[in-house]
Amino acid sequence: GDSVTQMEGPVTLSEEAFLTINCTYTATGYPSLFWYVQYPGEGLQLLLKATKADDKGSNKGFEATYRKETTSFHLEKGSVQVSDSAVYFCALVDPNNAGNMLTFGGGTRLMVKP
Amino acid sequence: ETGVTQSPTHLIKTRGQQVTLRCSSQSGHNTVSWYQQALGQGPQFIFQYYREEENGRGNFPPRFSGLQFPNYSSELNVNALELDDSALYLCASSGGQGRLYTFGSGTRLTVV
Repeated sequence: GDSVTQMEGPVTLSEEAFLTINCTYTATGYPSLFWYVQYPGEGLQLLLKATKADDKGSNKGFEATYRKETTSFHLEKGSVQVSDSAVYFCALVDPNNAGNMLTFGGGTRLMVKP
Repeated sequence: ETGVTQSPTHLIKTRGQQVTLRCSSQSGHNTVSWYQQALGQGPQFIFQYYREEENGRGNFPPRFSGLQFPNYSSELNVNALELDDSALYLCASSGGQGRLYTFGSGTRLTVV
């Protein structure tokens, strides 16, 4: 079956530091890839997405590139802010699966200190 | 446009009881999915409804059941609650196959 593996957290950074959160996946089909963010006490918000190899998703300074050869979709940001503190989830949708379901990784908590 | 709303936000139930969670989908969305998020873990797909029919199900037992209504709102029912059912239950709606999901803020269920 499909799966998503993320680096375990928490990741603790100082403000303006560079962020990388690793994500790798396995899928039977050709998936679309997503990053979601969850702030304390809230649901999930879509951060960015990519639907085919070499696509780069970007939003709010975050970027991730769909790498089919390494089955990866690492999240990066050049300069993090305290307000970026949240839990980040990598996810995929495999067109071979009924219901267009999202398969999520376990999440990575990011803590940014002033 | 309104987003996805879920009710209640929190509830506490006793083991063996039954619970119903509710979700109003975003305006214009005809597809609703439910996810279970245990503490410290990623969400797990329970099932999806499209135009009142279940069209996908994850690895959850039959005591997890659902409904979708003509206005595309949805219910998640869980019978014979177990302690491990304690989790955040997320509802997500979309405009159909291949469309992006909008998530609600979830219902926090605690089973004691």
